[in-house]
Amino acid sequence: IQMTQSPSSLSASVGDRVNITCRASQSISGYLHWYQQKVGKAPKLLMFAASNLQSGVPSRFSGSGSGTDFTLTISSLQPEDFATYYCQQSYSPPRTFGQGTKVEIK
Amino acid sequence: QVQLVQSGAEVKKPGASVQISCKASGYTFTNYFIHWVRQAPGQGLEWMGVINPRDDTTGHAQKFQGRVTLTRDPATSSVYMELSSLTSEDTAVYFCAREHVVSNSYGMDVWGQGTTVTVSS
Repeated sequence: IQMTQSPSSLSASVGDRVNITCRASQSISGYLHWYQQKVGKAPKLLMFAASNLQSGVPSRFSGSGSGTDFTLTISSLQPEDFATYYCQQSYSPPRTFGQGTKVEIK
Repeated sequence: QVQLVQSGAEVKKPGASVQISCKASGYTFTNYFIHWVRQAPGQGLEWMGVINPRDDTTGHAQKFQGRVTLTRDPATSSVYMELSSLTSEDTAVYFCAREHVVSNSYGMDVWGQGTTVTVSS
C-alpha cells in the first residue's frame, strides 16, 4: 500500500492552522497513524487510528479521515511544532510510511 | 520507565554484516511486536521488518528478503536485527519501535534512540 503525503513541505508562522494530508493507494479503514520527527531524534507517535491523540500530545493536534484520505491538523502552530511529519498505515503488511511533510518557519 | 535502548554506532565495510540490538525495559516484553525502521541521510522512514517476541515469528519488507534476520532473547528482553551484504546504500540510522500485539490500531508508541550504521570502504 502506497502512502502519499501532501504537501512535501510547507512554510507557516506561529499561530497558523496547518493541514497535512495523507492518501492511501487503497482503503486502509482507520489503520493510519501520524508521527512527528525532529532533526536527529526518533519519531514520536502523535495520533493513532486516524483520530486518537496519543497520551501526552497537545490537544492542538487532531486527526481525521478513513478509507483512503486522512488529515493531520495543527490548530495553532507553536515553535516546537516545526518538524517533519509522517503518516503510516498498519492495515496490511508491509507497513508503509508516507514520504514526510516538513513544516518550516515562515 | 518504558524504553527501548539500542546498541551503539557501527562502521562497516561493503559486503560485511551488522547486528544491532534493541533492549526493552519497563513493560512485558512479549506483549509488543518490535519493528525495525531505517532512515537514510536526508530521507524518509523505511519499514524493514517485525518480530513477535511471543513466538519468534517474523515479517520483512520484500526489499530486504534474504538479507535481514530478526531474532529475540526473552531472557534479556532483547531483539536483534542483522543485515548482511552491506552496501553504501545501507548507510542509515536504524530504529526499533514497539507495537502492541493485541491490535494494530495503536501505532508504534515507543522508539529506540536509533543506531547509525555507516558503510564505507
